[in-house]
Amino acid sequence: GAGVSQSPSNKVTEKGKDVELRCDPISGHTALYWYRQRLGQGLEFLIYFQGNSAPDKSGLPSDRFSAERTGESVSTLTIQRTQQEDSAVYLCASSLAGGGPPLHFGNGTRLTVT
Amino acid sequence: EDKVVQSPLSLVVHEGDTVTLNCSYEVTNFRSLLWYKQEKKAPTFLFMLTSSGIEKKSGRLSSILDKKELSSILNITATQTGDSAIYLCAVLSAGGTSYGKLTFGQGTILTVHP
Repeated sequence: GAGVSQSPSNKVTEKGKDVELRCDPISGHTALYWYRQRLGQGLEFLIYFQGNSAPDKSGLPSDRFSAERTGESVSTLTIQRTQQEDSAVYLCASSLAGGGPPLHFGNGTRLTVT
Repeated sequence: EDKVVQSPLSLVVHEGDTVTLNCSYEVTNFRSLLWYKQEKKAPTFLFMLTSSGIEKKSGRLSSILDKKELSSILNITATQTGDSAIYLCAVLSAGGTSYGKLTFGQGTILTVHP
């Protein structure tokens, strides 16, 4: 597809369960970002991948959060033992080069933890 | 810690009005400031500003950066109902272990009534 694709678009899970969110960046985009957006708030940086460099994980809120990326393709964000405060929209974005801003966002995954 | 603050947090106007949205920042190693428009899902890119005092314009929207005041404004003239959205300001900073980390403000919710 032409844009950044995220799946699922919506996910409802019970507290304590693990969830996995997926992001397919635009082909050829070497940089990939995950952000979290709580209701009525701005975007909170989670993690940044650039090519084969070590990812910048400085925004991950706890060790329950982890993310992987295979080469310059798909990324998965995993949240273990979900809590209600994890409920948010998780947005993925990609850009052509590392050091450049995320110009292309996906539509996000809306996560609801009950 | 990098910080981006937007004001006002929300704004309600009528069609035809002109609005000015504000963004101020405190970051180390500033590289550029970006504006995004977020309607229902994915934020869409509006402007990237790197140099002070140079206005960027796109139709009824314009923006300018003041690096001395560490701030930017986004102007929308002759507003239309389609301008209703959340407007996000983000600052790109460099340094540390990676480039490309955007810090977002809380956003300004603009509502334009017919």
